Amino acid sequence: AQSVTQLGSHVSVSEGALVLLRCNYSSSVPPYLFWYVQYPNQGLQLLLKYTSAATLVKGINGFEAEFKKSETSFHLTKPSAHMSDAAEYFCAVISGYSSASKIIFGSGTRLSIRP
Amino acid sequence: GAGVSQSPRYKVTKRGQDVTLRCDPISSHATLYWYQQALGQGPEFLTYFNYEAQPDKSGLPSDRFSAERPEGSISTLTIQRTEQRDSAMYRCASSLAPAGAGETQYFGPGTRLLVL
Repeated sequence: AQSVTQLGSHVSVSEGALVLLRCNYSSSVPPYLFWYVQYPNQGLQLLLKYTSAATLVKGINGFEAEFKKSETSFHLTKPSAHMSDAAEYFCAVISGYSSASKIIFGSGTRLSIRP
Repeated sequence: GAGVSQSPRYKVTKRGQDVTLRCDPISSHATLYWYQQALGQGPEFLTYFNYEAQPDKSGLPSDRFSAERPEGSISTLTIQRTEQRDSAMYRCASSLAPAGAGETQYFGPGTRLLVL
């Protein structure tokens, strides 16, 4: 079975500061991992995904995440926060085989940006 | 269509009434998912379709919940005899193939259901 833990339901950083959103996963088989962003009154949008290729994954809007098997982590980072990054971020995991269907989402981290 | 659409966007109903939610996926997408998202939580898997087949409905909370996709495109989620605990955002997503193949899911804006 898979599970996802997002540490910190709310993270606040200053504009221009480093963004770090934490995600730890549990999976009995090699996982695929995803980060989604949700802006107010909109659907979830994929930021990036890890599907067993490069462990450092680059996504949209300057975000990236590194898959660390030894730490069972997939933390999301951005070197310099922008006001437009304020949103809710969800980490998700699924078993990495083609017939797997059930994707498990974390409970989300709300990112606030201080001017 | 250009993206995933859902209707209605908001639905208020009284306890005991039936509701039907609709999802119109991206036209080329074989796979369609339904999720339930409570306030302050991430989406929780309800069921999914591969074309018109429904291989996994293990996430449906009770037999009051059902979904169909009869022609492999538009899908409906029906909740019979609604209860207050059914109040949530219901999200639909579509993808070219199941998520386990690494395919990106594209989400609709959701239907917010409030049961009074």
